[in-house]
Amino acid sequence: AQSVSQHNHHVILSEAASLELGCNYSYGGTVNLFWYVQYPGQHLQLLLKYFSGDPLVKGIKGFEAEFIKSKFSFNLRKPSVQWSDTAEYFCAVKPSSGSARQLTFGSGTQLTVLP
Amino acid sequence: ETGVTQTPRHLVMGMTNKKSLKCEQHLGHNAMYWYKQSAKKPLELMFVYNFKEQTENNSVPSRFSPECPNSSHLFLHLHTLQPEDSALYLCASSPWAGQGNSPLHFGNGTRLTVT
Repeated sequence: AQSVSQHNHHVILSEAASLELGCNYSYGGTVNLFWYVQYPGQHLQLLLKYFSGDPLVKGIKGFEAEFIKSKFSFNLRKPSVQWSDTAEYFCAVKPSSGSARQLTFGSGTQLTVLP
Repeated sequence: ETGVTQTPRHLVMGMTNKKSLKCEQHLGHNAMYWYKQSAKKPLELMFVYNFKEQTENNSVPSRFSPECPNSSHLFLHLHTLQPEDSALYLCASSPWAGQGNSPLHFGNGTRLTVT
C-alpha cells in the first residue's frame, strides 16, 4: 500500500514570501498525484493534479507542483503568497491503475500567511 | 458552491444518542464516500458506495452505519459513539469509484462532538 508524508505540519510566512510545501510518497509503481486545499470553514477542493506528461503542473491561484520521480516527491510551490492563501494543504496519491477509493492523503500542512 | 452538501454543519451528541449525517450531491456522480478527518492525521476513508452498492468498509466500527438509498444521497447513522469519534466527517463524490483519474468533490463536512 502507498503512503504519503508531509513533513511540515505548520508553515508561517509573510505576504510576498515564496512557498514550498513538501510531499513525499512511497509506492513502487506509477502514481497519480494531487494537492487539495481546505480554506477555513470551507470544503476540500482540488488545487492541481498530475497524471502523466510534463512533470511541472500548474494549478489554480498561481500554484504549481513538480513531480520528481527519482525522489518520489511532489512539492507544491508558489512564488509569492497572499494572506488569502492561509489554509490547510493536503497531498494525496493513488496508483495510476487504481480506483478512486485507493486515494491516500497526507496529514496536511497548515499554512498561515501574515499580512 | 461545492456541489456536495452536508447537513448538519455541526453536531453535538451524547454517547447514548442516535443521530444521522446527511450528504447530497448534485453532480450526477455515481460514487460517494465517507471520510473521517481528525486533527494532525491523514484523512481516513470509511466507506465507499458505487452505484448505490457498498464497495468498501475500511474496518469501521459498527456504531457507524452507512446508507445509500440512491446515487445522490448518502447517510451516516451514528449510535453509541465514543468521545474519540469526535472529528470532521467529510462526504465526497466522484463519477464512479473505479475511475481513478477523476478527483473527488468534497462537501463542507459535519463537525461532530461526542460528549
